[in-house]
Amino acid sequence: QSALTQPASVSGSPGQSITISCTGTSSDVGSYNLVSWYQQHPGKAPKLMIYEVSKRPSGVSNRFSGSKSGNTASLTISGLQAEDEADYYCCSYAGSSTSPWVFGGGTKLTVL
Amino acid sequence: EVQLLESGGGLVQPGGSLRLSCAASGFTFSSYAMSWVRQAPGKGLEWVSAISGSGGSTYYADSVKGRFTISRDNSKNTLYLQMNSLRAEDTAVYYCAKVNTVVPAAIHLGHFDYWGQGTLVTVSS
Repeated sequence: QSALTQPASVSGSPGQSITISCTGTSSDVGSYNLVSWYQQHPGKAPKLMIYEVSKRPSGVSNRFSGSKSGNTASLTISGLQAEDEADYYCCSYAGSSTSPWVFGGGTKLTVL
Repeated sequence: EVQLLESGGGLVQPGGSLRLSCAASGFTFSSYAMSWVRQAPGKGLEWVSAISGSGGSTYYADSVKGRFTISRDNSKNTLYLQMNSLRAEDTAVYYCAKVNTVVPAAIHLGHFDYWGQGTLVTVSS
């Protein structure tokens, strides 16, 4: 299966909202509500931010939200803060029970 | 507190072998599937392999199938990745991750809720 498509970079000013898209196909993102999002700061391990399209794990700020329309999932961060500057990756069930997961290429978020 | 600690990375020649370990604590290890995810230098995340809580079911990315073997020892709360026939393109930081799913028997429906800090594998002559 091919990697999901994300924009290479997005940017926003403190306090603004930004949205990162994650485009797959009707075989993965479009068919299942199994998209998750991960935040990764430089040199650190990824951290789960959103799972099953729009659910937030305990401890994750409610400034982070997820949604999906058709074959495209989205991560929205409202009230941007300097600490949100990081790489963000989406991940989806790939429609295969033998090779279940496919990641996006990642998006670098810059807080101006 | 969930903790995952990888070890075993290092420099290996092409065609060589390496075994990674991931020591888990803070949760009932045998109740959860586990996975390996890697990240080549300056690149994105790539799912590598996963194993069910009992160890009875395993899953591999096409890029490593036939070369890598995932296993676990629930008595030691430890996950392993045996990597054989290593190639330059296997150079990456390897993370172990806990898989969370509402249906334990369907780990392919899960997501990665905790990650270790990673161990670097470098394949080079």
